[in-house]
Amino acid sequence: AQSVSQHNHHVILSEAASLELGCNYSYGGTVNLFWYVQYPGQHLQLLLKYFSGDPLVKGIKGFEAEFIKSKFSFNLRKPSVQWSDTAEYFCAVNARSGGSYIPTFGRGTSLIVHP
Amino acid sequence: DGGITQSPKYLFRKEGQNVTLSCEQNLNHDAMYWYRQDPGQGLRLIYYSQIVNDFQKGDIAEGYSVSREKKESFPLTVTSAQKNPTAFYLCATRQVPAPQHFGDGTRLSIL
Repeated sequence: AQSVSQHNHHVILSEAASLELGCNYSYGGTVNLFWYVQYPGQHLQLLLKYFSGDPLVKGIKGFEAEFIKSKFSFNLRKPSVQWSDTAEYFCAVNARSGGSYIPTFGRGTSLIVHP
Repeated sequence: DGGITQSPKYLFRKEGQNVTLSCEQNLNHDAMYWYRQDPGQGLRLIYYSQIVNDFQKGDIAEGYSVSREKKESFPLTVTSAQKNPTAFYLCATRQVPAPQHFGDGTRLSIL
């Protein structure tokens, strides 16, 4: 079965610092990759997705992620974080299982940005 | 206004009782999912349904049951067999190959 690892469980940054959140998955076949964000008290929202093509994908609010197939990774980055980026971030992988694509989520990374 | 409606937002249950969480969608999506979210454990898949009248167990299906009699509805029943039901429950829908859409969740607590 596929699994998703998010290495950073808690990250604390000051505003304007750069952010990189790690995500690795274990699955050798075709995958679709996603990053979701959950702001305090809100539902999960899609930040960005990768299906195919350019491995560097850009999402909303200045976030980007790079798919590195050889490393089974899909790390999330932002050059300069803001206080409003405080949230929980989830990496997700859709991997093929018995004819269907089943989404699997990582444990999440809690990001706190100090003003 | 298209979306996913989960109700109620907060739910309390006495030990030994079954309780049903509602998930309704008007997005016309074929697939629907139930996740449980616990602190530090991310989202874990309970059940999913790719099409009406069909559903599959996820990673943590024990103590839960579902039905998918209509495309719009995918209710989740938390049975008394679920030993640790206190959690935040999220419903999601998807129209392949697009990403999932999530509801606002239901927080279940045991009295």
